[in-house]
This record gives sequence, structure tokens and C-alpha cells, in this order.
Amino acid sequence: DQQVKQNSPSLSVQEGRISILNCDYTNSMFDYFLWYKKYPAEGPTFLISISSIKDKNEDGRFTVFLNKSAKHLSLHIVPSQPGDSAVYFCAASSYQGGSEKLVFGKGTKLTVNP
Amino acid sequence: ETGVTQTPRHLVMGMTNKKSLKCEQHLGHNAMYWYKQSAKKPLELMFVYNFKEQTENNSVPSRFSPECPNSSHLFLHLHTLQPEDSALYLCASSQEVGGGLAGGPRTQYFGPGTRLLVL
Repeated sequence: DQQVKQNSPSLSVQEGRISILNCDYTNSMFDYFLWYKKYPAEGPTFLISISSIKDKNEDGRFTVFLNKSAKHLSLHIVPSQPGDSAVYFCAASSYQGGSEKLVFGKGTKLTVNP
Repeated sequence: ETGVTQTPRHLVMGMTNKKSLKCEQHLGHNAMYWYKQSAKKPLELMFVYNFKEQTENNSVPSRFSPECPNSSHLFLHLHTLQPEDSALYLCASSQEVGGGLAGGPRTQYFGPGTRLLVL
């Protein structure tokens, strides 16, 4: 049973437009959420995170929104650029038993067309 | 460049071979992790080390044996693997400060991974 779900395997947007990537989770113990970006043949690169005590975090073109009641978070990229084309992973974290446990979604492949 | 390096980047091995994957982090972190990413599946946590002590073994078969000699180095020893173990193996590190909302940054930083093929 997947605790973190990214229901859209792929997303295609036009350069300059907004990209919205969605993520749903089921475990109420998660208290920290992260987005990672992954290019082929590379490891995931940290993009942005949000604590469960907040509902929004912004960093340049990237904004993450958290709706705790709906157990939903989203990543907004605006304006989208061709270099943003990559696979984006949503991850949820909880601290249990003395260690950090990070659970990942399957990823959404974003393609930004020039 | 994330400050986490992994070697080798690619590895092909037979089912009777013994090999080791190496991870090194240059970030001064005190926690290190092994993850596995198989095709069409999300990243799966395998092992967690905090201050060189293993704190998590996520039901990983014994043919995978981790070793953490110090806070900067992490190994994954492989022996008698199966073809279904072919995957991307990723190492990550983070600064553990006790967890919880007041625990400060909890971001894990990943290495580039080792692409493993078991024949």
C-alpha cells in the first residue's frame, strides 16, 4: 500500500507557463515533506521542503503548498523553463525509532516544451 | 554536485560474485542511508545508520550487508545476488538532530547512484 502517491506519471507544459505537480499521502505521522528533482543517470536533487506546521513555502520559481486536512501537497513552478524537464519525486518524512524515514512517490516526469 | 559520491557508477556481476558499493559524504552529516530504485517503483529505503549505528533494516535480504566504519563512509556488500536485485542503488546522508519539528533541517542529500545489473 503506497503511502505517498503521485497519480500523474507525466506532465507536459509550455515554456513560461505554470507547472503544477501533485502528491497525496495517507500517513498522518508524516511531518515533513520534500520535493526532489531527478535527471537521467543522476541521483535525486533536493528542491524544496515544507514542515507540517506551514501551508506554503516559496523559493524563487518554486512554491510548495501543503493541505494537511486533505493530505495533499503540490509543487508549483512558474515560469516553467525547458531546463526544468526532469522527474519530480514527492517524499514524506517521519522521525520514528531514532531514525528519519523518508517515503517516496513514484515520480512525475515533467516536460517543458520551448 | 551534492557532496555525496558513490562508486562504482555501474556494476555488472554474476550471481556467484561478491562485490561492494561505496558511498562517501563530504557534508559533515551524521546519518547515512541506502535506497534501492527498481524500474517502475518508488525509491525504497534499505538501511539507515545514525552515528555509525544501524537504526533501520527495512526487511532487506541478508545477501545485502551494509557497513558503516565512520560517519563519512558507507558500504553495501553484495553476495549471491539474484537477477531481480538489478536496480539503481542510491546512498544519501543527512544531519540528524533528534527529529521532530524543532529538529532543524532533515533534508537527505543523494549521491548519483550505482546502476547494478545481476546476470
